Amino acid sequence: GNSVTQMEGPVTLSEEAFLTINCTYTATGYPSLFWYVQYPGEGLQLLLKATKADDKGSNKGFEATYRKETTSFHLEKGSVQVSDSAVYFCALMNSGYALNFGKGTSLLVTP
Amino acid sequence: GAVVSQHPSRVICKSGTSVKIECRSLDFQATTMFWYRQFPKKSLMLMATSNEGSKATYEQGVEKDKFLINHASLTLSTLTVTSAHPEDSSFYICSARGGRGTTDTQYFGPGTRLTVL
Repeated sequence: GNSVTQMEGPVTLSEEAFLTINCTYTATGYPSLFWYVQYPGEGLQLLLKATKADDKGSNKGFEATYRKETTSFHLEKGSVQVSDSAVYFCALMNSGYALNFGKGTSLLVTP
Repeated sequence: GAVVSQHPSRVICKSGTSVKIECRSLDFQATTMFWYRQFPKKSLMLMATSNEGSKATYEQGVEKDKFLINHASLTLSTLTVTSAHPEDSSFYICSARGGRGTTDTQYFGPGTRLTVL
């Protein structure tokens, strides 16, 4: 079945550091891929998405490219801020539109 | 943007009682709603898929008689945890899929923290 694997963290970075959170997937076909973010005490929010191979999703300085050849959708940001501290979830959409999530990666950005 | 609410945000109940959690799409009609369960430091696990006017589809291992789902309208789905036990304590999250072309976008509620004593 479909599955998502992402680095578990926690990841601790200094402000303005470069961020990469790895995400790989196993799926039949080419599902849409997503990154969701969960800030402390809040619900999940869609950060970005990509619906087909080579698509690049981007939002708030974050980027991820749908790589079919490596079955990956790594999240990157060139310069993180303290306000980016949150838990990040990689997910893929199954045929019934439900989401299959990775385990989440906790990010802490220190001043 | 699309907003999904959940009520209550947190609930504490005694073992053996039933608890109802509501999920509402506030500014759009949700053809499909999903219920997830999130354990501490673990990912969200899909419990069931709920389509308006039809029976919910439960994931393997989820007891449909224990977790009753009703999707009575295009803006409301409810999850009732019947005869709750301490092992049912968890964070329950719903999401709603809008039908206006953005079929691959889900909007999540803020979650409900259930504690069963």
